[in-house]
Amino acid sequence: QVQLQESGPGLVKPSETLSLTCTVSGGSISPYSWSWIRQPPGKGLEWIGYIYYSGSTNYNPSLKSRVTISVDTSKNQFSLKVSSVTAADTAVYYCARSPIARNWFDPWGQGTLVTVSS
Amino acid sequence: QSALTQPASVSGSPGQSITISCTGTSSDVGGYNYVSWYQQHPGKAPKLIIYDVSNRPLGVSNRFSGSKSGNTASLTISGLQAEDEADYYCSSYTSINTRVFGGGTKLTVL
Repeated sequence: QVQLQESGPGLVKPSETLSLTCTVSGGSISPYSWSWIRQPPGKGLEWIGYIYYSGSTNYNPSLKSRVTISVDTSKNQFSLKVSSVTAADTAVYYCARSPIARNWFDPWGQGTLVTVSS
Repeated sequence: QSALTQPASVSGSPGQSITISCTGTSSDVGGYNYVSWYQQHPGKAPKLIIYDVSNRPLGVSNRFSGSKSGNTASLTISGLQAEDEADYYCSSYTSINTRVFGGGTKLTVL
């Protein structure tokens, strides 16, 4: 069964770029869409954006100017970059899969905590 | 886009039924049958329990059910069990092809 695993630095300095990778094992990147979702400590879930296996993307309008999601089908990975981070970007970041033309998230990765602090 | 509105908390006794509401607009919940629900235990990743308003994935208990009326979707849990104590989130497709979550509801089993 497919499993997702997030990886990347757990600490990022303010104004720098947060970079995370999600590795997909036990299945293929295609033909699915892949999302990033985050959860600030003690708060609710926020959808960041998705990328199709073909490379097309869509982002949360509130984050669109700072977010880039990319995919590497040869490595079965997709990635997230958030630029100009502040303390408000401190959160557990999850990656998740959606079937094409479907609107649910399953499965999810275990999540990785990213703290923005100097 | 604004988060969907959920009650901050609900509670019930073992064996009882509870319902969690999720209110949006005609641009998300009301406009499409694309509401999903997730259960999250502390320190764990969310788990899909309902998709497309009222469908249960394989392996999810039939004590969980979903429905929708107008701009409000609902999750009902019947025969409450201690293991149901968790946070619950709704999510919807939107008119601009994005996704939006509710603020989350903490379920306490008394």
